[in-house]
Amino acid sequence: AQKITQTQPGMFVQEKEAVTLDCTYDTSDQSYGLFWYKQPSSGEMIFLIYQGSYDEQNATEGRYSLNFQKARKSANLVISASQLGDSARYFCAPPGGNKLTFGTGTQLKVEL
Amino acid sequence: DTGVSQDPRHKITKRGQNVTFRCDPISEHNRLYWYRQTLGQGPEFLTYFQNEAQLEKSRLLSDRFSAERPKGSFSTLEIQRTEQGDSAMYLCASDRTGTSSGANVLTFGAGSRLTVL
Repeated sequence: AQKITQTQPGMFVQEKEAVTLDCTYDTSDQSYGLFWYKQPSSGEMIFLIYQGSYDEQNATEGRYSLNFQKARKSANLVISASQLGDSARYFCAPPGGNKLTFGTGTQLKVEL
Repeated sequence: DTGVSQDPRHKITKRGQNVTFRCDPISEHNRLYWYRQTLGQGPEFLTYFQNEAQLEKSRLLSDRFSAERPKGSFSTLEIQRTEQGDSAMYLCASDRTGTSSGANVLTFGAGSRLTVL
């Protein structure tokens, strides 16, 4: 079974600042990727960004980017220029078979 | 397309009652997933369908739980003889096989929150 570790249960960041959310995973798969999802208080899981293990460049999507360190099996999410609407719970999830396995998440609060 | 729809959004029931949740996936998506999420945890996989076939079930899916997708479109998740431990958010998601990017992105619904008294 895959093990996903998100060590930061809660984070605070000032508006307009950057924040890094950590994620490490344990997998024996040779080919794997990693998804990040955001869950605001409304409950819906929103896809943010994906990194494939064979991608040579770190994935970027607007204000979201991944700091992917394959040897360390970590894929930290960097949110630049934080906005109040970024306040939510963030989950990383490597795919395993035909499903995603989610970590426990990091609750991010963006403050003025 | 309006995305993945789930109904009802909230359900309060008494222990021992049966409840049913419905999920309408994105129309061109042939795969449908059910997840359960308890407070402070990430979503946990319950089961998934490809078209009308239920291809995988988690051990979390006890015999009181049954999921169907009879025509390969909408799906229902029924919980019989509910227990207080069933209180959770039940999330539905869908995707389709054969995407060129190699990353099948799940699109989630807003969830159905169950409270068992």
